[in-house]
Amino acid sequence: EAQVTQNPRYLITVTGKKLTVTCSQNMNHEYMSWYRQDPGLGLRQIYYSMNVEVTDKGDVPEGYKVSRKEKRNFPLILESPSPNQTSLYFCASSLSSPYEQYFGPGTRLTVT
Amino acid sequence: KQEVTQIPAALSVPEGENLVLNCSFTDSAIYNLQWFRQDPGKGLTSLLLIQSSQREQTSGRLNASLDKSSGRSTLYIAASQPGDSATYLCAVRLRRVYHNDMRFGAGTRLTVKP
Repeated sequence: EAQVTQNPRYLITVTGKKLTVTCSQNMNHEYMSWYRQDPGLGLRQIYYSMNVEVTDKGDVPEGYKVSRKEKRNFPLILESPSPNQTSLYFCASSLSSPYEQYFGPGTRLTVT
Repeated sequence: KQEVTQIPAALSVPEGENLVLNCSFTDSAIYNLQWFRQDPGKGLTSLLLIQSSQREQTSGRLNASLDKSSGRSTLYIAASQPGDSATYLCAVRLRRVYHNDMRFGAGTRLTVKP
């Protein structure tokens, strides 16, 4: 089954404790991206990747890092999480940038 | 800067009713527009994708229209069912070659009552 998977689905952590949210897709998609969703704000893009080793900032990249060492994986790294990063995070992939995006199930992160 | 607005934020209708969800955007120079459905605890499911050259797209009981000149799109749901209850998001893509230019609305939360 074609899908985008994210882990963990739920995470509660404390300020400053490094964490990684994994994202994997099995559709051989070139383009992957990370979004955060906050009430009343819609989804905002954090980072995107056009292909292996090619990444760039989205609208709200501060406090986040990404890497794309393999085509199927695009982990999101929070080196020092803060409470304002409490949010619902989505990973998405598409064949290339203007094509239909497929979204993962989301990761709900709470930073206390 | 492109702004995408969805009104109303929430909508409740009785089962069987036809309904329209609205999406407006400020910059008419879009590449495409996509409607998504979001269920609690789940990701976004793509419903319809309308290219800028198209006026509408249909899938089953769903019909999405696009009027670039007025900066508006509507999602029409016919004969609504309780299973249609979800949050509906629209998103516009501004250009083909730039990769961080997809803008989402905040969504309309739809409740269909049995």
